[in-house]
Amino acid sequence: EPEVTQTPSHQVTQMGQEVILRCVPISNHLYFYWYRQILGQKVEFLVSFYNNEISEKSEIFDDQFSVERPDGSNFTLKIRSTKLEDSAMYFCASSEARSFFGQGTRLTVV
Amino acid sequence: RKEVEQDPGPFNVPEGATVAFNCTYSNSASQSFFWYRQDCRKEPKLLMSVYSSGNEDGRFTAQLNRASQYISLLIRDSKLSDSATYLCVANTGSSNTGKLIFGQGTTLQVKP
Repeated sequence: EPEVTQTPSHQVTQMGQEVILRCVPISNHLYFYWYRQILGQKVEFLVSFYNNEISEKSEIFDDQFSVERPDGSNFTLKIRSTKLEDSAMYFCASSEARSFFGQGTRLTVV
Repeated sequence: RKEVEQDPGPFNVPEGATVAFNCTYSNSASQSFFWYRQDCRKEPKLLMSVYSSGNEDGRFTAQLNRASQYISLLIRDSKLSDSATYLCVANTGSSNTGKLIFGQGTTLQVKP
């Protein structure tokens, strides 16, 4: 089965630092997403991306967040100045007929 | 009101039991629905899509009732390996490429 890959699997960062989470979507997919899951809570939509631009974003996705597809294969999520409450599992997904999720990056802000 | 609501459980059942999970959704514009399975600290994985006509995949049967905005999942002959969290998911887009709205999940523990 095709795979979405995410790196790193775990990132620890200090509050206020910038982090970039990386994803390689499935190669022929056109729709990309980031979701997050705070420990013990539900999976929450952050942003969707199509045709090199954001198609939809949630209230969570404020000015501290940005996404980019820099080179036609990677899809990145940047958090400019991390807060303690950004600690969560971040999942990348890509879709055509159905969504495939990457294995996630566990972000810990200390 | 939560967009997708599930009983969090946990459901503790013996091997071989039949167990049913329910879910309700609030956005009548939601187009398509799914059950995902999530193992501890892992990514959600698609279990099955849900159709109004009902659909079955082996031991799993899913049903959608659009009139009452209700979705169900039935697992027959439970196995130990079925232990996981089951996520009810609505797609808000006009195709399967819209954003997914997840329920809180229902935890199933199958015991020997």
